Amino acid sequence: SAVISQKPSRDICQRGTSLTIQCQVDSQVTMMFWYRQQPGQSLTLIATANQGSEATYESGFVIDKFPISRPNLTFSTLTVSNMSPEDSSIYLCSVGEGTGTGELFFGEGSRLTVL
Amino acid sequence: GQSLEQPSEVTAVEGAIVQINCTYQTSGFYGLSWYQQHDGGAPTFLSYNALDGLEETGRFSSFLSRSDSYGYLLLQELQMKDSASYFCAAPAGAGNMLTFGGGTRLMVKP
Repeated sequence: SAVISQKPSRDICQRGTSLTIQCQVDSQVTMMFWYRQQPGQSLTLIATANQGSEATYESGFVIDKFPISRPNLTFSTLTVSNMSPEDSSIYLCSVGEGTGTGELFFGEGSRLTVL
Repeated sequence: GQSLEQPSEVTAVEGAIVQINCTYQTSGFYGLSWYQQHDGGAPTFLSYNALDGLEETGRFSSFLSRSDSYGYLLLQELQMKDSASYFCAAPAGAGNMLTFGGGTRLMVKP
């Protein structure tokens, strides 16, 4: 199993500002995934962070709004840019081991509130 | 694309058995996962069915029928600590990227 640490665990942000969330994994992984979970809702995939290449974004999410870095096989950051109250959500980092297992490990999430 | 449908809420009493259903529509199907998430916590993996049939892990079992595009999670001998949200999820491809269903909030009452 993988142990994932996310920072910050929560934050209150002002409209128009940007915040960067960090994700550290205790082992090397090929792909890291960033999900968003709005209050009381399901998890929606934002993007897949690949080491050494551009992140792959899902429909409805763009790099200008959610820039992602993946400098090595154990670390990634997600920035939420120019925040609005609609960005208030929990942002989750996750990784999978192997392929075809259907199993992802999740960080504890970063709960952002935008005022 | 993929979509997975689940009931939004289920209520049951302690000691009972509850079944949470999941129907899916996918362009390519590799298997069905189940996750549990307590309020304020991270989702945790429960099970994965790649093949038709029943997989049992302690009090929890998961079932898949590919021909019916249907699966379920069965929780037996319910305990108060089982109160949580349960999500079915399916890989979007051969890799680990998952698409999640809307989630079922299970409330276990004394």
